[in-house]
Amino acid sequence: DAGVIQSPRHEVTEMGQEVTLRCKPISGHNSLFWYRQTMMRGLELLIYFNNNVPIDDSGMPEDRFSAKMPNASFSTLKIQPSEPRDSAVYFCASRPVGLDGYTFGSGTRLTVV
Amino acid sequence: AQSVTQLGSHVSVSEGALVLLRCNYSSSVPPYLFWYVQYPNQGLQLLLKYTTGATLVKGINGFEAEFKKSETSVHLTKPSAHMSDAAEYFCAVSDMAGANNLFFGTGTRLTVIP
Repeated sequence: DAGVIQSPRHEVTEMGQEVTLRCKPISGHNSLFWYRQTMMRGLELLIYFNNNVPIDDSGMPEDRFSAKMPNASFSTLKIQPSEPRDSAVYFCASRPVGLDGYTFGSGTRLTVV
Repeated sequence: AQSVTQLGSHVSVSEGALVLLRCNYSSSVPPYLFWYVQYPNQGLQLLLKYTTGATLVKGINGFEAEFKKSETSVHLTKPSAHMSDAAEYFCAVSDMAGANNLFFGTGTRLTVIP
C-alpha cells in the first residue's frame, strides 16, 4: 500500500499564478479530505468528498479555491489566482467506509511570493 | 458541536521521563477520539483511536491514552520518553453519528531533552 500520494511536495509560485495540488487516495477509501496547515491557524478542513461527491466545502476560504474529484483515485485542489497568504502546507487525507481514522499524505508545501 | 482543547502548545521532557500530553474534548454526542503524531516535514500519522469499549487504548510506539468521560479527557501518555518521540501531537474528535469530519486541536510540540 503506497498510502495517500500528494504532488508536488513543494511548490513555489508567484502571486497571481494558478496553482494545482494533486492527491491520490488509498484504493478503496471512499472519503477524501483536503486540509491546510499554518502556524497561525493550525489544521483547517477545507473540503471533503464522499464517493467523489463534495459534501462540505464550507472551509474553502474564498472563491479562488476550488476542488474536484473526477474519480475515486484522483483529486485536485486549485487556487486561482494565488496570493502570499495562501502559503501553507496542504494535506490530503482519505478514509475507508466506517469509523476508522484518516490516512494523511505527506503534504504539499506551497509558497506564494 | 465537537471540539478539542490541547493544554500546552509545548512540552519538554527528559529522555526516560514520563510523557503526558493533555487533551479535553467537547462533544454533543458520544465521541470518537484520535491522537495523531506529525514528524517534521511529514503528514500526520495515527497513534491511536478510541471508539467504544475499553477506555484504556494502546497505540503505536508505546503510547497509550485513557478516555475519561467524567473529565471529558483523553490524555496521551508514555512511560519513558525516547529521543525519537520528539514531534508534534494532535488530538482530534469526531462524532459517532457523522464521523466524517475530524476536529483537530492546535497541537502540542514535544521536545525530548537528552
